[in-house]
Amino acid sequence: DQQVKQNSPSLSVQEGRISILNCDYTNSMFDYFLWYKKYPAEGPTFLISISSIKDKNEDGRFTVFLNKSAKHLSLHIVPSQPGDSAVYFCAAQIKAAGNKLTFGGGTRVLVKP
Amino acid sequence: DGGITQSPKYLFRKEGQNVTLSCEQNLNHDAMYWYRQDPGQGLRLIYYSQIVNDFQKGDIAEGYSVSREKKESFPLTVTSAQKNPTAFYLCASSILFVGTDTQYFGPGTRLTVL
Repeated sequence: DQQVKQNSPSLSVQEGRISILNCDYTNSMFDYFLWYKKYPAEGPTFLISISSIKDKNEDGRFTVFLNKSAKHLSLHIVPSQPGDSAVYFCAAQIKAAGNKLTFGGGTRVLVKP
Repeated sequence: DGGITQSPKYLFRKEGQNVTLSCEQNLNHDAMYWYRQDPGQGLRLIYYSQIVNDFQKGDIAEGYSVSREKKESFPLTVTSAQKNPTAFYLCASSILFVGTDTQYFGPGTRLTVL
């Protein structure tokens, strides 16, 4: 049973436009969410996170939105740049249960110049 | 330079052989983790350790073993009991119970069983 799902395996966007990546979860106990970016043959790098007590967190071109009632979060990248082309993973955590992360399947983003 | 190192980057193994993947960190992190990534899939947790000489099974621990004799090191052994070991293996570490507890990942080891 997949507790964290990224239903779009891939996304193509024009440089300068907005990229919107979506993530759904089923476990209402999750209280912390993270986005990681991964290039081929490399480890994921942390991008941005959000606590369940917030509904938005912004860091430069990256904004994460959380809708707890819908069990849905999204990552917005504005403006998209060619260097953003990578696979993006959504991850969720139950803070009281330790640091274990549950990952979604990833969304491959291609930003076209 | 602080970080997580994994070696080797590429590893080939004959069927039926055990193989050990190395993971070292000099970030002074308490917790360390092993994940497996298969093509087109997310990361799945194999084992994790929050303190030296202690570790817990993750979601897919069967066919794997670990040890945590030193804070800096968390080697993973892929045993012959692992039915489908070909995958990309990622090690991560984090500080426990401080701030965001973000996990930091190593560069990975790609294991191929011939």
